[in-house]
Amino acid sequence: DIQMTQSPSTLSASVGDRVTITCRASQSFSSWLAWYQQKPGKAPKLLIYKASSLESGVPSRFSGSGSGTEFTLTINSLQPDDFATYYCQQYNSYPWTFGQGTKVEIK
Amino acid sequence: QITLKESGPTLVKPTQTLTLTCTFSGFSLSTSGVGVGWIRQPPGKALEWLALIYWNDDKRYSPSLKSRLTITKDTSRNQVVLTMTNMDPVDTATYYCAHRPSPGSWLDYWGQGTLVTVSS
Repeated sequence: DIQMTQSPSTLSASVGDRVTITCRASQSFSSWLAWYQQKPGKAPKLLIYKASSLESGVPSRFSGSGSGTEFTLTINSLQPDDFATYYCQQYNSYPWTFGQGTKVEIK
Repeated sequence: QITLKESGPTLVKPTQTLTLTCTFSGFSLSTSGVGVGWIRQPPGKALEWLALIYWNDDKRYSPSLKSRLTITKDTSRNQVVLTMTNMDPVDTATYYCAHRPSPGSWLDYWGQGTLVTVSS
């Protein structure tokens, strides 16, 4: 199984900050990685697919990059609506696996 | 517009079998490449992928749960059913179904989830 490790687990930031979340994989793979945003009591929402492609309707302040074993999600100019938990997920091989999540909190 | 909705019991007893139904609209599970998956999330914890079924009835399971899971589809009713046997309190979680638009792709639309509690 490919293990996905996110860092940090919690991130405190202010509105307007640029934040970066890292997802490291236990095995190398190409770009088969997605990022999701989840708010309390809600289903995950797709933000990024194929490591760097922005899902339709997602604000352009979200971006993804990486390949191999290290991937990043960047939020430029953090907005109040962005305070949430973010998950990476690899769909390169079965079983699909998720990171443990990164909670972005208000500083 | 693609929508998915999970339904099933909110409370099951230990050792019982859980049956969850995902009813969807806006796509057909007879369309080449399409899949529907199940994912769960224990309270306060991370997401865990459980199973996936494709338009051609190809099925994939989490190895750690494979012996307990069965995923099936009813294309005419636009439904996917997940059964999980021998339920335990550690299986208490919100269960989600989600749409996979094509092979090699991600999960783009998710249902709202349904909380299942396992308790005697």
